[in-house]
Amino acid sequence: AQSVAQPEDQVNVAEGNPLTVKCTYSVSGNPYLFWYVQYPNRGLQFLLKYITGDNLVKGSYGFEAEFNKSQTSFHLKKPSALVSDSALYFCAVRDENQGGKLIFGQGTELSVKP
Amino acid sequence: DAGITQSPRHKVTETGTPVTLRCHQTENHRYMYWYRQDPGHGLRLIHYSYGVKDTDKGEVSDGYSVSRSKTEDFLLTLESATSSQTSVYFCAISEDGYSGYTFGSGTRLTVV
Repeated sequence: AQSVAQPEDQVNVAEGNPLTVKCTYSVSGNPYLFWYVQYPNRGLQFLLKYITGDNLVKGSYGFEAEFNKSQTSFHLKKPSALVSDSALYFCAVRDENQGGKLIFGQGTELSVKP
Repeated sequence: DAGITQSPRHKVTETGTPVTLRCHQTENHRYMYWYRQDPGHGLRLIHYSYGVKDTDKGEVSDGYSVSRSKTEDFLLTLESATSSQTSVYFCAISEDGYSGYTFGSGTRLTVV
């Protein structure tokens, strides 16, 4: 069965430090992977995606993600965190069956302190 | 969010009553989805549509039905609302099923 896991419910980072939000996946074929961010009382916003090609994917707001096939991981990274990055982050994998459904992880709350 | 709107934004309803949530898009995208968001569960798919009158169930479809009579509208109906259906409901659209989603702003539903 296809699945995605975010092993950390919460990540705390000091402003200016690098941040990593972890995601691992399980699919039988080639994965289509996504990161979304949710600010309080808002819908989810697309950050970046991996479909094929370069293992390092660059996205919105200075975020990037590294695809690692051997470790089945797709960790979200940013070199220097901002207080405004504090939000809920979701990793997702495309269901290989019909309909383009996305399977979401349970989310990781990122808190960036000044 | 641009191109996709959900209504209502907030609703309080009583147990046992039917409730319909509406998702409207102006992007002419083929795929539309309904998810619910609950703490500790992330987002879980309720139903989705891959074209007009073409719908299918997601992982948490019990107690919900959907209809899509036009490309732009995807309705989610709680046939007889229960307290366990208190949640935030998100609609999403996708052009081709590969590019990822655009989400609506959500509907916060409380069943009392």
